[in-house]
Amino acid sequence: AQKITQTQPGMFVQEKEAVTLDCTYDTSDQSYGLFWYKQPSSGEMIFLIYQGSYDEQNATEGRYSLNFQKARKSANLVISASQLGDSAMYFCAMTQGGGNKLTFGTGTQLKVEL
Amino acid sequence: DAGITQSPRHKVTETGTPVTLRCHQTENHRYMYWYRQDPGHGLRLIHYSYGVKDTDKGEVSDGYSVSRSKTEDFLLTLESATSSQTSVYFCAISDGRDENAEAFFGQGTRLTVV
Repeated sequence: AQKITQTQPGMFVQEKEAVTLDCTYDTSDQSYGLFWYKQPSSGEMIFLIYQGSYDEQNATEGRYSLNFQKARKSANLVISASQLGDSAMYFCAMTQGGGNKLTFGTGTQLKVEL
Repeated sequence: DAGITQSPRHKVTETGTPVTLRCHQTENHRYMYWYRQDPGHGLRLIHYSYGVKDTDKGEVSDGYSVSRSKTEDFLLTLESATSSQTSVYFCAISDGRDENAEAFFGQGTRLTVV
């Protein structure tokens, strides 16, 4: 069975600083996808970034980058130049089997401070 | 934004009553999913559909049933609601072309069973 572990229930970062949110995963599949979603206090789930298991380059999307270390089974999200609007819950997830079903971690609550 | 509408957005119901949540999409995506979100658990898959009348169980399917009679609609039914089903329910869609395809989420339905 697949499993996603996010060990940081809460994180604080100063505005304009970079922050890394940790995510480790466990799967026996060779082909899988890793995702990060953001959930602001308003409740919607916002897709941030994707990394495929066969991708050799780390994914980047604007201020978001995914630090993919396949041998360590980690897929950490790096947010550069944090903004107040980055304060939210962040979920790491991976696809499981066919049909793009997602297994989620328990999330990390990020608070950006002035 | 992906065209996904969940209804109702909020509902309070009594234990033992049936409840149906609706997810409507305008994207013509093949896959549709129901997840529930609970503190400390992230999001967990309840049921999913890979086409009209084609559905399958997810991780936490007990006490729930689904139906998909049209591509655009995916219904989640609690036959006899229990307090343990108090949760936030998210519908998601994916075109499922491969595991790279991100899932788009609806706004969520907050269900309270009293």
